[in-house]
Amino acid sequence: DTGVSQNPRHKITKRGQNVTFRCDPISEHNRLYWYRQTLGQGPEFLTYFQNEAQLEKSRLLSDRFSAERPKGSFSTLEIQRTEQGDSAMYLCASSLVRAVTDTQYFGPGTRLTVL
Amino acid sequence: DQQVKQNSPSLSVQEGRISILNCDYTNSMFDYFLWYKKYPAEGPTFLISISSIKDKNEDGRFTVFLNKSAKHLSLHIVPSQPGDSAVYFCAAENQGGKLIFGQGTELSVKP
Repeated sequence: DTGVSQNPRHKITKRGQNVTFRCDPISEHNRLYWYRQTLGQGPEFLTYFQNEAQLEKSRLLSDRFSAERPKGSFSTLEIQRTEQGDSAMYLCASSLVRAVTDTQYFGPGTRLTVL
Repeated sequence: DQQVKQNSPSLSVQEGRISILNCDYTNSMFDYFLWYKKYPAEGPTFLISISSIKDKNEDGRFTVFLNKSAKHLSLHIVPSQPGDSAVYFCAAENQGGKLIFGQGTELSVKP
């Protein structure tokens, strides 16, 4: 078990460019979450998948953001026409849903800097 | 509105002593709580959790206490070690399993 992995670890881009991040969850985990963390704050929920179905999206996820999880395995998060306010750490977490609760395990994150 | 609050941005403790990190929440529907530890440039690492049917859960040096009537939980670390220095986040599980995090408390354990 190699844990949750995210690529790239760092991304610097110019305003207006598109960026895509990838998350590989722990194998056999059926839920995958995306969070965003800015300086001095805790992670904020963006969206989550159960298998390949995207079940919820936060108000924080504007139309410029899109996430996919084809075949219920890895997931990608794309940001189109990036803005300086998109600069943040983007975290992915996965879990195996049991009867009552599940524990989310986080990846190392992708730090995005928009110039 | 901040549903999960950690009112102390930082805490400094001497090595070997107890560290107590506090967390308050506003939504009485929350029934599962977690503590995560985060080092710089890394993702949060799961530490310990507690369900609302319990008021205490222990794992080695880490104990979490839950006071449902006060909507308050705390994490105790005994004895504190320099390697415990990190930012600690408490989180509450909401509908669909999504986590609502507090702002974090930076713990510094001095030798």
